[in-house]
Amino acid sequence: DAKTTQPTSMDCAEGRAANLPCNHSTISGNEYVYWYRQIHSQGPQYIIHGLKNNETNEMASLIITEDRKSSTLILPHATLRDTAVYYCIVRDPNTDKLIFGTGTRLQVFP
Amino acid sequence: DVKVTQSSRYLVKRTGEKVFLECVQDMDHENMFWYRQDPGLGLRLIYFSYDVKMKEKGDIPEGYSVSREKKERFSLILESASTNQTSMYLCASSSETASSYNEQFFGPGTRLTVL
Repeated sequence: DAKTTQPTSMDCAEGRAANLPCNHSTISGNEYVYWYRQIHSQGPQYIIHGLKNNETNEMASLIITEDRKSSTLILPHATLRDTAVYYCIVRDPNTDKLIFGTGTRLQVFP
Repeated sequence: DVKVTQSSRYLVKRTGEKVFLECVQDMDHENMFWYRQDPGLGLRLIYFSYDVKMKEKGDIPEGYSVSREKKERFSLILESASTNQTSMYLCASSSETASSYNEQFFGPGTRLTVL
């Protein structure tokens, strides 16, 4: 079973920041938070991951709360091409298994 | 560019047929995975492999088998296809375990319809 809960869907205006929340209240101390997204008719694509500290790369920022029970993926300037399903995943570093939930469907509108 | 390719984008088979789904990666990755994706259920892991000739059951292995004779190729086999195996099948690969950063690279998927 997925260890994360996410809203089913969200909307965001083009050019605005998209903030996608994720709850992972049962996360263990050594488990990482990963984010993937899946654009229609494509396989999932890695976005970012983190353990305790906030992370930023060219695609997004990841904010993890101090108690690690929740996180937020931030797309700073959403574009129409960011319309996709976003998956928040908790991963045990001792395995390579990713357990996907049903994700958040983000719709970016003009 | 790293690449995971799957033999077909769309496949239609009849109930009872033996079906082979092929996946090839060009990144020299040790790990390979097969998932299926269904509406409302997300991606579910069927089988995975950490090395040539090695395989591990995922969460829903029933009705499937796999083969990994070469490092770059991981095949999913439906011995006798059934209508409840109609789904999108996704293959992925990643580098070796025990790494804090272990991105899985996914193929484009094969949409299988069993009639």
